[in-house]
Amino acid sequence: GAVVSQHPSWVICKSGTSVKIECRSLDFQATTMFWYRQFPKQSLMLMATSNEGSKATYEQGVEKDKFLINHASLTLSTLTVTSAHPEDSSFYICSARDAGTSPYEQYFGPGTRLTVT
Amino acid sequence: GENVEQHPSTLSVQEGDSAVIKCTYSDSASNYFPWYKQELGKRPQLIIDIRSNVGEKKDQRIAVTLNKTAKHFSLHITETQPEDSAVYFCAALSWGKLQFGAGTQVVVTP
Repeated sequence: GAVVSQHPSWVICKSGTSVKIECRSLDFQATTMFWYRQFPKQSLMLMATSNEGSKATYEQGVEKDKFLINHASLTLSTLTVTSAHPEDSSFYICSARDAGTSPYEQYFGPGTRLTVT
Repeated sequence: GENVEQHPSTLSVQEGDSAVIKCTYSDSASNYFPWYKQELGKRPQLIIDIRSNVGEKKDQRIAVTLNKTAKHFSLHITETQPEDSAVYFCAALSWGKLQFGAGTQVVVTP
């Protein structure tokens, strides 16, 4: 149980275009989802927290107009990187929490490798 | 906010030896401390976790200890095997959010 999927697993886009990444909880309802970014040989950095049906809360230094997050249902959250630039190239990982089961554990998706050319 | 420091950044051990990774945290309100193993290009995999009301937890070759007074927690891997080679991250849950340590690259040599 507690499976989280992400799509796509990797994507290449041109500078200036937008790309959408989907995060789905497959067998549970995710009351909260989190989006992380991980640069090579670095740790996971939290970008934003999203609760179903409400606006996402962004961490300091993360541009909310550039990284659009939508959590429209209890099983789906999307991250759209708008006007992507090469410096946005990174590994984007989502996680989901099922507050009904555990207020602590987060279940991670497999990640999306974004390359902006 | 929470700040988690992790040491060492790299750890090389002989197969069969033990590996110890240490983390400290700053927020005394943090109440959940998971450890993750991440292989290159893969998702972080939870290997063990501990809550603030427990001092030690063990699962086969892996153990975690927590000292709330000193605000530090450690991961212990015994009888290391080559498949234990990976990057390990500690984390602390504070105000519903996980703050990760910088990671430890563990290399187990046969």
